[in-house]
Amino acid sequence: AQTVTQSQPEMSVQEAETVTLSCTYDTSENNYYLFWYKQPPSRQMILVIRQEAYKQQNATENRFSVNFQKAAKSFSLKISDSQLGDTAMYFCAFSDTNAGKSTFGDGTTLTVKP
Amino acid sequence: DSGVTQTPKHLITATGQRVTLRCSPRSGDLSVYWYQQSLDQGLQFLIQYYNGEERAKGNILERFSAQQFPDLHSELNLSSLELGDSALYFCASSPRTGAEAFFGQGTRLTVV
Repeated sequence: AQTVTQSQPEMSVQEAETVTLSCTYDTSENNYYLFWYKQPPSRQMILVIRQEAYKQQNATENRFSVNFQKAAKSFSLKISDSQLGDTAMYFCAFSDTNAGKSTFGDGTTLTVKP
Repeated sequence: DSGVTQTPKHLITATGQRVTLRCSPRSGDLSVYWYQQSLDQGLQFLIQYYNGEERAKGNILERFSAQQFPDLHSELNLSSLELGDSALYFCASSPRTGAEAFFGQGTRLTVV
């Protein structure tokens, strides 16, 4: 069974600074996807970024980038130039390309301070 | 707007009752997932359907059931409701198993 661990329940960052959220996972699969989702106070789940395990290049979406270390089973999210609107709970998620089940971490609550 | 539609947005019902939550996936998406999120908790995977067939099952209670219809919309049926079933229920869809999922706005269920 896959597990996803987010070791930081809460984090805070000053506006315009950079913050990194940690995620580790455990799987015996070789082909899979990893995702970061954002859940603002509205409770809407929003996809932030995705990474396919077979790709060595780290994914980037504007101010969001990941550090994917497959051997270490680590998948951290870096948010640059943090904005007040980035305040949300962030979930790391694992998805097997063959099985249907997706596994989410417990989330990290990020607060961006003005 | 993710393109995934869930109805109703809010539902208040009494213990012991039965409710049906509905989900319309994004156009073209064949996979539908259901998740439960209790207050200040993470997401618990309930069940996945792909093109009408059950593909994966999580910790879904026997009192809960789901199905995906030929037009690809899905329904989650919750019966013999208990206070602990109060939660936000999300539906998500994706074009294929394992790909990124796009979430609906959720149905907030309150059991009183």
